[in-house]
Amino acid sequence: QVQLVESGGGVVQPGRSLRLSCAASGFTFSSYGMHWVRQAPGKGLEWVAVTSYDGSNEYYADSVKGRFTISRDNSKNTLFLQMNSLRSEDTAVYYCAKGTSAAPNDYWGQGTLVTVSS
Amino acid sequence: EIVLTQSPDFQSVTPKEKVTITCRASQSIGSSLHWYQQKPDQSPKLLIKYASQSISGVPSRFSGSGSGTDFTLTINSLEAEDAATYYCHQSSSLPQTFGQGTKVEIK
Repeated sequence: QVQLVESGGGVVQPGRSLRLSCAASGFTFSSYGMHWVRQAPGKGLEWVAVTSYDGSNEYYADSVKGRFTISRDNSKNTLFLQMNSLRSEDTAVYYCAKGTSAAPNDYWGQGTLVTVSS
Repeated sequence: EIVLTQSPDFQSVTPKEKVTITCRASQSIGSSLHWYQQKPDQSPKLLIKYASQSISGVPSRFSGSGSGTDFTLTINSLEAEDAATYYCHQSSSLPQTFGQGTKVEIK
């Protein structure tokens, strides 16, 4: 069965960096695009970024462009989100989700909480 | 960026009642509209893909319709376990976007 397990969340000060990971299993990871989607406390879902199956293409929400980088290691079935220059408004649960840029997100991880606070 | 607007924001419904949630896109997205259910402290779950295609394992009381800019999620004969927030999502163009959500409460 498909499993996506995020890790790397925590409390970080504004302006600092954090790297999230998403370990995938149960499907051919290298054949699918992958997304990061976030949800601020008590708020709705916000799409963050997508990478193509081979990592050659990526796209970002304007709110994170230039600060966040999505990447993947297909040899380790792992998706990453490098988050730099963090702001308080980046505080959210971050989910990884399976899907191409033109398809629904058919599987989601359980999420990892990132809190940006001094 | 394509904006998705859901209505209503909140609905309080008795069991066995029919629920209808609408999602309007700011421009035509064909059938690239998907619906998710999110229960408290859980991750979203795909309910309907491409406006009306069913998902294996999802109860048949959930159905979707629409194309272009106007879409509907229908829950026939609501059950207590359907208490959740429902989101629409478009994958027609990047950036992908989500509706603001519709919270369904059981009376």
